[in-house]
Amino acid sequence: EVQLLESGGGLVRPGGSLSLSCVVSGLTFSDYAMTWVRQAPGGGLEWLSTINNSGRTTYYPDSVKGRFTISRDNSRNTLYLQINNLRVEDTAVYYCATGSGDFGAWGQGTLVTVSS
Amino acid sequence: QSALTQPRSVSGSPGQSVTVSCTGTSSDFTDYSYVSWYQQHPGKAPKLIIFEATKRPSGVPGRFSGSKSGNTASLTISGLQAEDEADYFCCSYAGTNTLIVFGGGTKVTVL
Repeated sequence: EVQLLESGGGLVRPGGSLSLSCVVSGLTFSDYAMTWVRQAPGGGLEWLSTINNSGRTTYYPDSVKGRFTISRDNSRNTLYLQINNLRVEDTAVYYCATGSGDFGAWGQGTLVTVSS
Repeated sequence: QSALTQPRSVSGSPGQSVTVSCTGTSSDFTDYSYVSWYQQHPGKAPKLIIFEATKRPSGVPGRFSGSKSGNTASLTISGLQAEDEADYFCCSYAGTNTLIVFGGGTKVTVL
């Protein structure tokens, strides 16, 4: 059974930083591109970043480019998302998911709350 | 890149069919091979129910089907059941710049 487990969320002050992790089991992690998606309270899904299976190629929408950094450690089956200069509007549940064009498996999400 | 356009809500009685549309520009649907649909129940993670516009992952009931025409993709739920009440999101590969764009989501209500 494929499982994805995010961690690292919490309450952060505006301007702060956070590092999210996603541990993956049940598949050969190094075979899969991986993606981060977030969902603001009561809102829709927003694509944040994708990384290819080797970790050499990354993609971001213009809205987060420069503040968000995706990375992975294939030896630890772990995906990361570094978020800098957090804003109130970054408050959301952050999900990791397998794939780059369609997303076959998702974690349960980790809540990030940005508030003073 | 703006979100794909979905109706805010759709409803139907048990046993009926409902269709959720997802409309974008030609740049949003760069490659229909990567149109996908996700079901999300309250408090849960999204679940893939349609990929490559028309294909169902193993375990997804046959009453869920996908189609595409022009700049619109559609999800049809035939024989609506109570457990189908959920939010549904479309998603498309939108090219090497933006890569991925989601629709705003549609709440399906079973009357």
